[in-house]
Amino acid sequence: KQEVTQIPAALSVPEGENLVLNCSFTDSAIYNLQWFRQDPGKGLTSLLLIQSSQREQTSGRLNASLDKSSGRSTLYIAASQPGDSATYLCAVGSQGNLIFGKGTKLSVKP
Amino acid sequence: GAVVSQHPSWVICKSGTSVKIECRSLDFQATTMFWYRQFPKQSLMLMATSNEGSKATYEQGVEKDKFLINHASLTLSTLTVTSAHPEDSSFYICSAMAYRTYSYEQYFGPGTRLTVT
Repeated sequence: KQEVTQIPAALSVPEGENLVLNCSFTDSAIYNLQWFRQDPGKGLTSLLLIQSSQREQTSGRLNASLDKSSGRSTLYIAASQPGDSATYLCAVGSQGNLIFGKGTKLSVKP
Repeated sequence: GAVVSQHPSWVICKSGTSVKIECRSLDFQATTMFWYRQFPKQSLMLMATSNEGSKATYEQGVEKDKFLINHASLTLSTLTVTSAHPEDSSFYICSAMAYRTYSYEQYFGPGTRLTVT
């Protein structure tokens, strides 16, 4: 059974710092891995989707990497801003199903 | 493209009543939709997979007679919480699946906040 773990559970950084969020999964037989952002009381915003054949994806200040063999993914946020404060969810996709981690709650202080 | 809507965005109901939540794919057809539930400070937990024209597949521990799912068309799935109780209060999120370049992707609705008093 696929399990997704995200570390740390919460993170507080000063504005401008570069930071890394970690995601690990137990079964490497995945189709893709996706990073989402969730603001309090809101739905999900898809940030980056990495197919199983890819190593990384980039969008603006965000870079996500995937190492399927070791069951790990990282989300790198450059030059963090207060507007980046949210919960970041990692989800692995397998045959159309998504298994979510519990998320990392990020707080960027001005 | 790939926009999913949910209605209502929030609802308050009394214990014992039923509540229906709609999930629509606005600009694409989805043979498969998913229903998730999220409790405070928890991650999304898959409740059921909704397939157009057939019965939904429920995850272990989810009561199919309590959470009725109907996927009557390629753009609409509904979740009815029957005889709701306060412990059913949660954030319900749906997603619709579409096949893209390399694999299937899920597109999420904005969620429905259910409060049972």
